[in-house]
Amino acid sequence: EVQLVESGGGLVKPGGSLRLSCAASGFTFSSYSMNWVRQAPGKGLEWVSSISTSSSYIYYADSVKGRFTISRDNAKNSLYLQMNSLRAEDTAVYYCARFFCSGSTCYYSFDYWGQGTLVTVSS
Amino acid sequence: EIVLTQSPGTLSLSPGERATLSCRASQSVSSSYLAWYQQKPGQAPRLLIYGTSSRATGIPDRFSGSGSGTDFVLTISRLEPEDFAVYYCQQYGNSRWTFGQGTKVEIK
Repeated sequence: EVQLVESGGGLVKPGGSLRLSCAASGFTFSSYSMNWVRQAPGKGLEWVSSISTSSSYIYYADSVKGRFTISRDNAKNSLYLQMNSLRAEDTAVYYCARFFCSGSTCYYSFDYWGQGTLVTVSS
Repeated sequence: EIVLTQSPGTLSLSPGERATLSCRASQSVSSSYLAWYQQKPGQAPRLLIYGTSSRATGIPDRFSGSGSGTDFVLTISRLEPEDFAVYYCQQYGNSRWTFGQGTKVEIK
């Protein structure tokens, strides 16, 4: 069974830093590109960042570029998001999500999601 | 960045009725890269439709997707009690992924 379990969320002051982790199991983690997607309280979904299987390709939303860093450790089946210079508008539930691929075709949608971890940026 | 606009914002229907949700893109989207998700309160989103019209694993056939270019539709043929939720469309293009703002399907 595919499982994605996020951790590392919490309350942080504006300007502070936090590192999120996502532990993956039930599939060959190193074969899938991975993502972070966030959802502010009562709001819609916002893609944050993506990383390819070998970390060769990394993309960020403009809203976090230069402040957030995505990384992965395939040996540990883990995905990370280092968040620096946090702002109030970064307050959200952060989801780890796997790219959906069928055979050799990837559809750039997200088929498995974790339960999310809440990040609150407030003084 | 491609902006997705979903309509209506809220759809009030009764169980057994047909639901038609719209997703309009600010520029053309590849049909391979348009997806729909369902989200219930306190839960993570669930992939319903990928590639505009293909159902994800385990999704009932009352859910169907269609469209091309800038206009896409999610149809729920007969609403079941468990279908009342928020639905999001999502696209990929130019190394960016965007979501619509969501349509809430509520019980009338």
